[in-house]
Amino acid sequence: QQQVKQSPQSLIVQKGGISIINCAYENTAFDYFPWYQQFPGKGPALLIAIRPDVSEKKEGRFTISFNKSAKQFSLHIMDSQPGDSATYFCAASSPFRGSNYKLTFGKGTLLTVNP
Amino acid sequence: NAGVTQTPKFRILKIGQSMTLQCTQDMNHNYMYWYRQDPGMGLKLIYYSVGAGITDKGEVPNGYNVSRSTTEDFPLRLELAAPSQTSVYFCASSGLEGQYFGPGTRLTVT
Repeated sequence: QQQVKQSPQSLIVQKGGISIINCAYENTAFDYFPWYQQFPGKGPALLIAIRPDVSEKKEGRFTISFNKSAKQFSLHIMDSQPGDSATYFCAASSPFRGSNYKLTFGKGTLLTVNP
Repeated sequence: NAGVTQTPKFRILKIGQSMTLQCTQDMNHNYMYWYRQDPGMGLKLIYYSVGAGITDKGEVPNGYNVSRSTTEDFPLRLELAAPSQTSVYFCASSGLEGQYFGPGTRLTVT
């Protein structure tokens, strides 16, 4: 049973456009939702994260939108750049001893930003 | 501050061989994890540890073993390697600010 469903599997965007990646979850106990960025040959790197007490979090060109009632969250990349081309993973975890324990990952989205 | 380091970067094993993937973190994190990443499948948790001497199984533990004798080190042991264990393995550690990944080990079993 896949607990975090991510879409689309791949995405092609023109430079300057908006990239949108969506995730849906089933477990209502999840209370931490990070996004990771992974370049080829590298480990995933934490990009931005949100907790369900807010509906939106913005860091530079990256924004997470969170809809608790729909159990969905999304990553928006504004003014997408070729350097943003990477695989993006959403994830979720439920509370345990106050840490980010046992993340459940989506299957990833391969983003390509054309110049 | 090196973060999470993993060795080796690449390894080819024959079926039935065994090996240990090394992982070290210098952030004094209590929580450490091992994941495997297969194409199009995201990351699957193999084992995790909440502190020295404490480990537990994740989603896909079969064929693997771990130990945690120190806060810094969390090695992953593969016994009797099988082709199904061909994958990229990532070690991670976490504090309150998030989970940090190492650069990965690409393992091929032939």
